[in-house]
Amino acid sequence: DIQMTQSPSSLSASVGDRVTITCQASQDISNYLNWYQQKPGKAPKLLIYDASNLETGVPSRFSGSGSGTDFTFTISSLQPEDIATYYCQQYDNLPPSLTFGGGTKVEIK
Amino acid sequence: QVQLVESGGGLVKPGGSLRLSCAASGFTFSDYYMSWIRQAPGKGLEWVSYISSSSSYTNYADSVKGRFTISRDNAKNSLYLQMNSLRAEDTAVYYCARDSKAVVHWGQGTLVTVSS
Repeated sequence: DIQMTQSPSSLSASVGDRVTITCQASQDISNYLNWYQQKPGKAPKLLIYDASNLETGVPSRFSGSGSGTDFTFTISSLQPEDIATYYCQQYDNLPPSLTFGGGTKVEIK
Repeated sequence: QVQLVESGGGLVKPGGSLRLSCAASGFTFSDYYMSWIRQAPGKGLEWVSYISSSSSYTNYADSVKGRFTISRDNAKNSLYLQMNSLRAEDTAVYYCARDSKAVVHWGQGTLVTVSS
């Protein structure tokens, strides 16, 4: 089974800061990597799909990059409304399954 | 608009059973693969199970294999999760999710608590 290692598990940054989260797969997953934002008591929201594609309606300050085993998620300028937990997620086709990273809790300093 | 509404959660004793339902609307249910994803209190997300659009293929996380069964009724636009031999570690919010790759549409979740 593919394992996803996400880091850091939490971070604290100031409004306007650039925030970076990384996700490492235990084997090559091509670009089958998505990023979600989850606020307390809410279902997750898809932000980035296939490693670098911005979901419709998501602000352009969010971005993703990477392929193979190493992926990066970036918030270019942290806003107060970005306070949330972020998850990476890989998907497999054979057999179909999903694996999530452990999550990164983002707080305002 | 797409709506997914879960029901059937509640408190159950270890070893007990529960059946979750998810009512779908706003899209052609029979065209889409569906998944169940759960989240234990204060923990991360865990994929549970997946079913193809025609029910011809299912898959399960190792943690629930042999205990949980996913099914769907395309005529009723409904997804189900039959959970047997429940354990304390199955305590979680269970989300119904459309698609099996990138999940855009999620339900609001239903809480399952396994405790004596």
